[in-house]
Amino acid sequence: GEQVEQRPPHLSVREGDSAFITCTYTDPNSYYFFWYKQEPGASLQLLMKVFSSTEINEGQGFTVLLNKKDKRLSLNLTAAHPGDSAAYFCAVTRYGGSGNKLIFGTGTLLSVKP
Amino acid sequence: ETAVFQTPNYHVTQVGNEVSFNCKQTLGHDTMYWYKQDSKKLLKIMFSYNNKQLIVNETVPRRFSPQSSDKAHLNLRIKSVEPEDSAVYLCASSDDWGGSAETLYFGSGTRLTVL
Repeated sequence: GEQVEQRPPHLSVREGDSAFITCTYTDPNSYYFFWYKQEPGASLQLLMKVFSSTEINEGQGFTVLLNKKDKRLSLNLTAAHPGDSAAYFCAVTRYGGSGNKLIFGTGTLLSVKP
Repeated sequence: ETAVFQTPNYHVTQVGNEVSFNCKQTLGHDTMYWYKQDSKKLLKIMFSYNNKQLIVNETVPRRFSPQSSDKAHLNLRIKSVEPEDSAVYLCASSDDWGGSAETLYFGSGTRLTVL
């Protein structure tokens, strides 16, 4: 079955620096890709959902890159600030896959120091 | 804005006891889920329900049983808890079943500690 590896497990950056998180997946039929953010003591919130057809996705203060050839999904937080400190999870599913078929990455705990 | 409500937030109990967690969503979604998040923050699906019917039951011990009275509620009961059940249990809901992989909306979780 699908496996999703996320790196790094922990990341500490200074305010204003970039933070780069990567997930690699194994299923070539993966079609939907998600990034979730979980602040301490809070629920997971969707950052962005991307489709297999879009390689570069811009959000507010971050970019999501999808490299289908290498089966790699990346999240780049540009100019990180302390409010970005949280756990980040990628998730992957096939076309026609609903929440029950979401495979989550192992998470990255990001700390942004002032 | 919170739309998936879980109670309690925390629960501490002893091995062998029975516990029950509640989840309610106000989004009008048809599908609800229970996920387990372990101490390393790894997320694994346990159950999913679509319109009160069990759709997915991953390999979880039989002491876990989901209960749904209507599509807005999905509770989780654990009979005779074990130490390895200590985790955060996350409830979620989504609107779609198949086709477009709708976004999951999560509750804030119930942290279970088994002594």
